[in-house]
Amino acid sequence: QQQVKQSPQSLIVQKGGISIINCAYENTAFDYFPWYQQFPGKGPALLIAIRPDVSEKKEGRFTISFNKSAKQFSLHIMDSQPGDSATYFCAASMTGSSGSARQLTFGSGTQLTVLP
Amino acid sequence: EAQVTQNPRYLITVTGKKLTVTCSQNMNHEYMSWYRQDPGLGLRQIYYSMNVEVTDKGDVPEGYKVSRKEKRNFPLILESPSPNQTSLYFCASSLQGAAEQYFGPGTRLTVT
Repeated sequence: QQQVKQSPQSLIVQKGGISIINCAYENTAFDYFPWYQQFPGKGPALLIAIRPDVSEKKEGRFTISFNKSAKQFSLHIMDSQPGDSATYFCAASMTGSSGSARQLTFGSGTQLTVLP
Repeated sequence: EAQVTQNPRYLITVTGKKLTVTCSQNMNHEYMSWYRQDPGLGLRQIYYSMNVEVTDKGDVPEGYKVSRKEKRNFPLILESPSPNQTSLYFCASSLQGAAEQYFGPGTRLTVT
């Protein structure tokens, strides 16, 4: 059973537009929500992350919006550029009794294409 | 340069022939993990290790083995590979726990 559901599967945006990718989770014990960016032929790389004590986090053109009551979070890419074309994964983890998370659960990924 | 390295990057093998994919990190990270990536399924965790000599099953451990004898190395072993293990494999590490993982470049495995 998939614990983190991601949509859309693919997204095409014009240069300068806003890209929005959504994720929903089921486990209310999740307390860390990162987004990873993967370029073709490369491993995923951490892009931005949020914890549920804030509703929004912004880093440059990338913003995470978090809705705890709806159990949803989303990635917004402002002023999208062709260089942003990549696959984006949302993920979630929960802190264990040891103080560290044991596992990261990933969404199925969104392939973003930004047209020039 | 801080990095996670995997070898080999590409491997074609036949059913039943034992193979090992190596993973090494030079960041003194405690946590290491293996994932497989398949189209439409995202990244699924195979095994993880919170520290040396401590390994645990992830979500899809069947058909795989791991060991963590040294902090820097975390090899993935397929004792008897089958075609359904054809996939793109990633090793990852983090300073402590599963948050903020650094991924290797991937190993594309084909089992015929």
